[in-house]
Amino acid sequence: EPEVTQTPSHQVTQMGQEVILRCVPISNHLYFYWYRQILGQKVEFLVSFYNNEISEKSEIFDDQFSVERPDGSNFTLKIRSTKLEDSAMYFCASGSINIQYFGAGTRLSVL
Amino acid sequence: EDKVVQSPLSLVVHEGDTVTLNCSYEVTNFRSLLWYKQEKKAPTFLFMLTSSGIEKKSGRLSSILDKKELFSILNITATQTGDSAIYLCASNSNSGYALNFGKGTSLLVTP
Repeated sequence: EPEVTQTPSHQVTQMGQEVILRCVPISNHLYFYWYRQILGQKVEFLVSFYNNEISEKSEIFDDQFSVERPDGSNFTLKIRSTKLEDSAMYFCASGSINIQYFGAGTRLSVL
Repeated sequence: EDKVVQSPLSLVVHEGDTVTLNCSYEVTNFRSLLWYKQEKKAPTFLFMLTSSGIEKKSGRLSSILDKKELFSILNITATQTGDSAIYLCASNSNSGYALNFGKGTSLLVTP
């Protein structure tokens, strides 16, 4: 069964460093999403991406964040200068406008 | 602001019991409500419900939405230890692409 894959599963970084989280969405999906879940809190929407551009973003998704679909298979989330409060589980999802299928997540730890 | 509230926050049952998980929502321009099962890894899609009120079923799981009272329930009959997980409810609006998640219900099924 096709699935959304995310790498790495765990990323540890120093405050102020740039990180890139990678995702391979399900191949025939057209909509791509990033969410995050801070420990003990609910899953929060960051950004959606369709037709090679951002279709919606939340207030969390500020200038420190960017997304890219560099080729036909990968979808990346970049955080330019990480802060302690960026520590969270980051989920990639792909699907339609109605149903989203999630990857296993990347746990980002900012020290 | 759209709201999704799940109850109870946690639940412990014995194998074989039937459980009902609740999700109430306030969504401007409602499109659908989705249920996910979150174990250690990816939130796994269970059901999508719309205002049609049609019940969805898959094995021992079923779900229905009451568009008048603005809530949905997820039923699990003859629970098994493998049903232990966090169950997430999320709303989807015609105004955008984001899923708005509740805090989840943590279900523990004991042998």
